[in-house]
Amino acid sequence: AQSVSQHNHHVILSEAASLELGCNYSYGGTVNLFWYVQYPGQHLQLLLKYFSGDPLVKGIKGFEAEFIKSKFSFNLRKPSVQWSDTAEYFCAVKNQAGTALIFGKGTTLSVSS
Amino acid sequence: NAGVMQNPRHLVRRRGQEARLRCSPMKGHSHVYWYRQLPEEGLKFMVYLQKENIIDESGMPKERFSAEFPKEGPSILRIQQVVRGDSAAYFCASTSELNTGELFFGEGSRLTVL
Repeated sequence: AQSVSQHNHHVILSEAASLELGCNYSYGGTVNLFWYVQYPGQHLQLLLKYFSGDPLVKGIKGFEAEFIKSKFSFNLRKPSVQWSDTAEYFCAVKNQAGTALIFGKGTTLSVSS
Repeated sequence: NAGVMQNPRHLVRRRGQEARLRCSPMKGHSHVYWYRQLPEEGLKFMVYLQKENIIDESGMPKERFSAEFPKEGPSILRIQQVVRGDSAAYFCASTSELNTGELFFGEGSRLTVL
C-alpha cells in the first residue's frame, strides 16, 4: 500500500532560520504530490502541489518543494521562517487509483520570535 | 476557501449511541471526501463520494460506519453504536469535477465518546 513518511514530528526554529521538512513516499510510478498546512484553529489549506514538469515547485507564502524522483522525496523548504509560519504541515500523495490523497502524520512547526 | 461547512463542530456521545456528522461542500463541488484524524496520527482516508454514489470506501471500517451524499443536502458520515476508539476529529473535503487533486477542507468535527 502507498504511504507517506514525514521524518520530523516537531520542529522548533527561531525567526529567520531556514526550514526543511522531509517527506518520502512509497509509490514509484507517476505521482501527484502535495503539501498542506493547518494554522492553529483553522482548516487545512493547500501550500503547493506537483503534478509534472519543473521539479522545483513554488507555493504560497515563500514556500517551495523539490521533487526528487530517485529519492522518492518531496521536501518542503523556506529560506527564512516567520512566527506566523507556526502550524502543522502535512505531505500527501495521490493514491494509485486516483481516488484519494494519502497523508503523512504531519510535522508541527513552532517558530519563536 | 471557507466554503466547506461541517457540523456539528463538537459532538459528545455515550458508548452505544449514534453519531451523525454533516458536510456541505463548497459551492459547485460534487465530490466529497471524509478523513479521520486520531491523536498522534495523520489524516486517514475513509471514503470518497460523488452525488448519490460511493466511489471509494476502502478506508471505511467494515462495521458501524456508513456515508452518503444524496442528490439534495449535505453528505453524512454515520457511526452507529459508537465506542471510545471512535473519538477523533473527522474532516470533510470537497473538490470540483475536474478532480485535480486539490482538496478544500472543512474545519472538522470533533467526536468525543464517553
